[in-house]
Amino acid sequence: GENVEQHPSTLSVQEGDSAVIKCTYSDSASNYFPWYKQELGKRPQLIIDIRSNVGEKKDQRIAVTLNKTAKHFSLHITETQPEDSAVYFCAASKSTAGNKLTFGGGTRVLVKP
Amino acid sequence: EAGVAQSPRYKIIEKRQSVAFWCNPISGHATLYWYQQILGQGPKLLIQFQNNGVVDDSQLPKDRFSAERLKGVDSTLKIQPAKLEDSAVYLCASRGTGGGEKLFFGSGTQLSVL
Repeated sequence: GENVEQHPSTLSVQEGDSAVIKCTYSDSASNYFPWYKQELGKRPQLIIDIRSNVGEKKDQRIAVTLNKTAKHFSLHITETQPEDSAVYFCAASKSTAGNKLTFGGGTRVLVKP
Repeated sequence: EAGVAQSPRYKIIEKRQSVAFWCNPISGHATLYWYQQILGQGPKLLIQFQNNGVVDDSQLPKDRFSAERLKGVDSTLKIQPAKLEDSAVYLCASRGTGGGEKLFFGSGTQLSVL
């Protein structure tokens, strides 16, 4: 089955700096890659997603890039703010397998004011 | 639009006891998932339903876990008997047929097995 690896496990950045989280996946048939943000004690919230026919997607301060050949994708957060502090999860799924998501292990991001 | 509803929010039990969790997906969502999230890890899929049928339960420990979605709407996940390692947050998620691949999560049930 699919395996998703996520790095780093923790990331500390100064407010205003950029944060980058990287994920690799094993199944070349995976075609959907969402990113979830989870604050302490709360549900995972979808913040951005990308499909395999697109190489990059942006939404304000958040962007995701996908390299299908290398089977990796990354989340970029620019101009970080204290409210960006949370755990971020990448995931992968394929439409031929019921779109079930396989998650990475998570990255705890701390934005220091 | 109402979100995915789960109850209870918290549950504390002793090992070998049984426990049940309930999930009501977003109205009209045909696909329902149960995930287990152990502290410090990413969610892991336990079971996936399409309407009232099981699509994937390959990672469900069937000797102690069971789940049903009898009418294709709400779902129940049961653990009997519970073990210490079952302590986790149990997340329910749903996906609509017209909504593409996006999954919407409930707030989860935090289970502590003592």
